[in-house]
Amino acid sequence: AQSVTQPDIHITVSEGASLELRCNYSYGATPYLFWYVQSPGQGLQLLLKYFSGDTLVQGIKGFEAEFKRSQSSFNLRKPSVHWSDAAEYFCAVGAPGNEKLTFGTGTRLTIIP
Amino acid sequence: GAVVSQHPSWVICKSGTSVKIECRSLDFQATTMFWYRQFPKQSLMLMATSNEGSKATYEQGVEKDKFLINHASLTLSTLTVTSAHPEDSSFYICSATQGRASNTEAFFGQGTRLTVV
Repeated sequence: AQSVTQPDIHITVSEGASLELRCNYSYGATPYLFWYVQSPGQGLQLLLKYFSGDTLVQGIKGFEAEFKRSQSSFNLRKPSVHWSDAAEYFCAVGAPGNEKLTFGTGTRLTIIP
Repeated sequence: GAVVSQHPSWVICKSGTSVKIECRSLDFQATTMFWYRQFPKQSLMLMATSNEGSKATYEQGVEKDKFLINHASLTLSTLTVTSAHPEDSSFYICSATQGRASNTEAFFGQGTRLTVV
């Protein structure tokens, strides 16, 4: 069965600083990987996704993520965070041919001035 | 991107009553819709998968008689929480896809906050 681990429950970053959110997955083959962002009381918005090909994926709002098969990781990065990036971030994994997504427990991002 | 609308955004109901939550795909036909439950400060837990015109597939541990799902059209799925109890209070989120493979992007509704008193 597929699973996702987000080791960091809460991260605090200064505005303008760089960000990296960690995601590790467990799956027997190459998975489909996603990062979603959730603002308080809202649904989820897709930031980026990886299906195949280039392991460095560009997303919306200046985010990128890199798929590293050897480390079973799909970490999310942003070179310079903005106060509006404060939210909950979820990593998710899907299996090819299976429509279900499995979500990690999320990382709450706080931005300080 | 495509829009999924969930209604209501929040609802308060008395214990023992039933509550219906609607999930609509506004500008695309949703082959598959998913219902999730999210507890405070926790992740999304998939409750069930529904395909238009067929019975929903429930995840292990989810009571199908308590959480009734209907996907009668390609743009509408409903979740009815029957005989609600305070422990059913939660944030319920739906998502919809146009295909049945996981490389089809899922679009999420804004969620429904259910409080049972």
